[in-house]
Amino acid sequence: AQTVTQSQPEMSVQEAETVTLSCTYDTSESDYYLFWYKQPPSRQMILVIRQEAYKQQNATENRFSVNFQKAAKSFSLKISDSQLGDAAMYFCAYRANFGNEKLTFGTGTRLTIIP
Amino acid sequence: ETGVTQSPTHLIKTRGQQVTLRCSSQSGHNTVSWYQQALGQGPQFIFQYYREEENGRGNFPPRFSGLQFPNYSSELNVNALELDDSALYLCASSSKGNTEAFFGQGTRLTVV
Repeated sequence: AQTVTQSQPEMSVQEAETVTLSCTYDTSESDYYLFWYKQPPSRQMILVIRQEAYKQQNATENRFSVNFQKAAKSFSLKISDSQLGDAAMYFCAYRANFGNEKLTFGTGTRLTIIP
Repeated sequence: ETGVTQSPTHLIKTRGQQVTLRCSSQSGHNTVSWYQQALGQGPQFIFQYYREEENGRGNFPPRFSGLQFPNYSSELNVNALELDDSALYLCASSSKGNTEAFFGQGTRLTVV
């Protein structure tokens, strides 16, 4: 069974600074996707960034980028120039590229932005 | 906001009762997944429906059941409610084979 581990329950960062959230996962599959989702107080899960396992290049979306280390099964999220609106719960998630394509989530990291 | 809507937003039920939660998927999406998110935890996969058929189930007892309708909207039914069923229930819709799932804002269920 696949597992996703987020070892940082809480993180904080000064506004405009950079923060990195950690995620490790375990799978025996070679074809899969990894995601970072943001869940603000409104509760709706919002996709931040995705990474396809067969792509070596790290994904980037504006201020958000990942460090994907397939051999180490590590998938960290870097947020640059942190903004007050980035404050939320962040969840790392795994999805195999076959079957019912269910998402397996970690336990989340609560990110606080300090003005 | 995405086009996925869930109702109701909040609900309080008594232990032993039954509840039905509803999800209207985004236009063009034929797959709906349901997740349970307990307080302080990540979402856990309950089951998925694809073209009105159950297409995978997580580690949840049979008293959790679902339906998907021809318009691809969906219901989650929970019988014989237990206190531990108190959680946020999230619905996500997608197109089969598409990597992105779009989530609704969830239904907060409290069992007393």
